[in-house]
Amino acid sequence: EDQVTQSPEALRLQEGESSSLNCSYTVSGLRGLFWYRQDPGKGPEFLFTLYSAGEEKEKERLKATLTKKESFLHITAPKPEDSATYLCALSPNTDKLIFGTGTRLQVFP
Amino acid sequence: KAGVTQTPRYLIKTRGQQVTLSCSPISGHRSVSWYQQTPGQGLQFLFEYFSETQRNKGNFPGRFSGRQFSNSRSEMNVSTLELGDSALYLCASSQGKTGRSTNEKLFFGSGTQLSVL
Repeated sequence: EDQVTQSPEALRLQEGESSSLNCSYTVSGLRGLFWYRQDPGKGPEFLFTLYSAGEEKEKERLKATLTKKESFLHITAPKPEDSATYLCALSPNTDKLIFGTGTRLQVFP
Repeated sequence: KAGVTQTPRYLIKTRGQQVTLSCSPISGHRSVSWYQQTPGQGLQFLFEYFSETQRNKGNFPGRFSGRQFSNSRSEMNVSTLELGDSALYLCASSQGKTGRSTNEKLFFGSGTQLSVL
């Protein structure tokens, strides 16, 4: 069964304290892995798509990486405005996106 | 360019009633997907429409239905509401160029928060 698990559920960081969010998955055939950011009261906002193991994508303080079993979202020197819930989503062969339950990130000044 | 618009923003219904939610995709986007988001389950795929045809469906009961119009606008309907249907319902659009929305980045609306009492 295709499955995606995100950890930790919640993460509290001091401003400037770098860390990583994990998205581990089991899938019969991976077409792509997506990262989204969701702010309270809003819908998810697209961040990255990764298609194959070894691929990396960067945007400002965020860097996403992909292996055959998991993806990491590295956040370098976070700022309070990076506080949000980060979701990863799997695109398997079944053509139904499978979302993880997310990591709620809080960055304190 | 206007984003994805969902109406209404909030809705309160009682058990047994039915509800219709509306979604206007980004101009030029032909694929519309619907998701249910709850604190415990996260985002769960409901269905996807492309050029007025349902292309894919998630594991939800038949009380959940949808349709898409020729202008790509979409509606979803939930009949005989149950307490467990309380959730944020999100609509997402994508260009639909690849033939599979799961290969494309999705643009989400802000959702309709449905409360069933």
